Parts: sequence; C-alpha cells; structure tokens
Amino acid sequence: DARVTQTPRHKVTEMGQEVTMRCQPILGHNTVFWYRQTMMQGLELLAYFRNRAPLDDSGMPKDRFSAEMPDATLATLKIQPSEPRDSAVYFCASADRGHYGYTFGSGTRLTVV
Amino acid sequence: GENVEQHPSTLSVQEGDSAVIKCTYSDSASNYFPWYKQELGKGPQLIIDIRSNVGEKKDQRIAVTLNKTAKHFSLHITETQPEDSAVYFCAATDNFNKFYFGSGTKLNVKP
Repeated sequence: DARVTQTPRHKVTEMGQEVTMRCQPILGHNTVFWYRQTMMQGLELLAYFRNRAPLDDSGMPKDRFSAEMPDATLATLKIQPSEPRDSAVYFCASADRGHYGYTFGSGTRLTVV
Repeated sequence: GENVEQHPSTLSVQEGDSAVIKCTYSDSASNYFPWYKQELGKGPQLIIDIRSNVGEKKDQRIAVTLNKTAKHFSLHITETQPEDSAVYFCAATDNFNKFYFGSGTKLNVKP
C-alpha cells in the first residue's frame, strides 16, 4: 500500500527551540496538506501545496511557522521558536488531483516543555 | 466558509448493535463528503465517501446517506465489532482543496 511517511513520530523539545517536521507524500500525488490536531480544536488545516506551490497558509501562525516543499518528495513544517501551546499532533496528507480523498500520514506528536 | 457540525461527540454501543453518526453542513455548494476513521496513535483513514449526486452508498457494514435539501449526511455502521472502536470524522468540501472537518465522534463498541 502506498503511504505518506512522516518523521519524526515523536518529538520532545524545550520552549524556544526550532522544530522541523518532514513529510514524504505518496509518489505522484501533487497536493500536500499540513494539519494540526488537538483535543480542543480538532483537525485544523495549517497550509497546503499543489505542484509544490503554496496555495493557502492562512491557518498558520506566520510569525513562527513556515512550510515548504523543496521538491516533490519532501514537505517540511518548521516552528521557530517553539512554544508549549504548539504541543499537538501534526499530520501531513497528500492527494492526487484526480481523486478527492486524502491519505494521511501517521503524524508527528510534538511536545514542547 | 463551510461549517460542519458532528453529533454525538461520544457514542457507546453493544457489540452487534448499529451506530449512527450525523453531520450537518452549511454551504450548499459542498459536493463531496468523506468519512474518516482514526485509531489510537494513527492518522485518519478514509473509510467511505459520497458525492452530491448520490443519496446513499454502502460498503459491507458501513453506509453513508446524504440529504442535500436538509444539508445533512450520516454514517451508519451495522453489526458493530470491537475493532470499530475509534474516532470518526466527517468532512465536506466544495472543491478539491480544502476539507472542512467535523469535531469527531468517539465510538466505543462494548464486547
């Protein structure tokens, strides 16, 4: 089965440190999404890309978050500096324009202490 | 933008019983409605979806119904099994880009 791969699976870091999360979308999928999941807010869309170009990052705190796609096989989400309120599970998902359903990765559980 | 509401937030059923989860949406332009199942420690997985030109879709023990007039859609699971225990999310979209997710339903199937 094709899958979306996220690394790391877990990350514990101290407040103020930089955090980088990586995502390898399914080969051939041209749309990549970053979601954040918390108990209070559910699934929040942070940003998404099509053909590596950012289409919408309105859900992302711009002062500390950045998302990029250096190439078609890698998407990154960076937080600098991290804060305790950033603690959440971050999911990457990819999709093929010809099909509507997303495929989610297993997520990165981030804890900022 | 679209607003999706999902009920109930938790649902407990006895093994073998049926479970129904309901969602409403606000944007009449929405035309695609997927359902995702999320097991502990995993990402959400698509289990069934329906497009606005169809009123009902079934896949073995799960089915989804859509009422476009009332702007609601439901997930039905029959003959529930313990492995159906998970969090279920509905979503709606009017385009390929942005899904609007419900707040999730935690289903507990008691053996």
